[in-house]
Amino acid sequence: QKEVEQDPGPLSVPEGAIVSLNCTYSNSAFQYFMWYRQYSRKGPELLMYTYSSGNKEDGRFTAQVDKSSKYISLFIRDSQPSDSATYLCAMSADVGGNKLVFGAGTILRVKS
Amino acid sequence: NAGVTQTPKFRILKIGQSMTLQCTQDMNHNYMYWYRQDPGMGLKLIYYSVGAGITDKGEVPNGYNVSRSTTEDFPLRLELAAPSQTSVYFCASSTAGGNYEQYFGPGTRLTVT
Repeated sequence: QKEVEQDPGPLSVPEGAIVSLNCTYSNSAFQYFMWYRQYSRKGPELLMYTYSSGNKEDGRFTAQVDKSSKYISLFIRDSQPSDSATYLCAMSADVGGNKLVFGAGTILRVKS
Repeated sequence: NAGVTQTPKFRILKIGQSMTLQCTQDMNHNYMYWYRQDPGMGLKLIYYSVGAGITDKGEVPNGYNVSRSTTEDFPLRLELAAPSQTSVYFCASSTAGGNYEQYFGPGTRLTVT
């Protein structure tokens, strides 16, 4: 079993839709959770970061962590064609937060 | 401010050849990392460094070597290239002390035939 599971998609939605991206994990020691966005043929860039359980909102993006279920989500409201990318979840148990375990990434396509 | 730069962008190697992937960052970050990304597999950590002169293995270090003689540079050496090393390689850097954002370079696409 992989430490982090993420549906690779692709997920195709119309412009303006609410998008839900998810990851599950097996290591209960994970306490730092991140979402990275990766455009085609580019390096990943940090989108959202949360510590432990709870929600965090940043503009159109909301990250949720449910440690009891070992489940994290990223919601994108009013999705735009520019949101089309691969979204990678990443998590760490390391107190320094520097050894990340990544999910496989979900490909998102927002159609105009 | 260029961030993290990687060279070359593309490379084709024959089986058994060796090469060095270059990575340089200009953000004065202590931590640097090498990942490989295979289709549908996410990013796997190869090696990382917490400062000049200090390196450690990640999840998939076999077939690779690294060195860190300066804060800025973190080259990755492939010895005796094998088809299984065909991948996209990303270098990243971050500050120490609880900053969890890793800044990634644009990647090197390597094919071993």
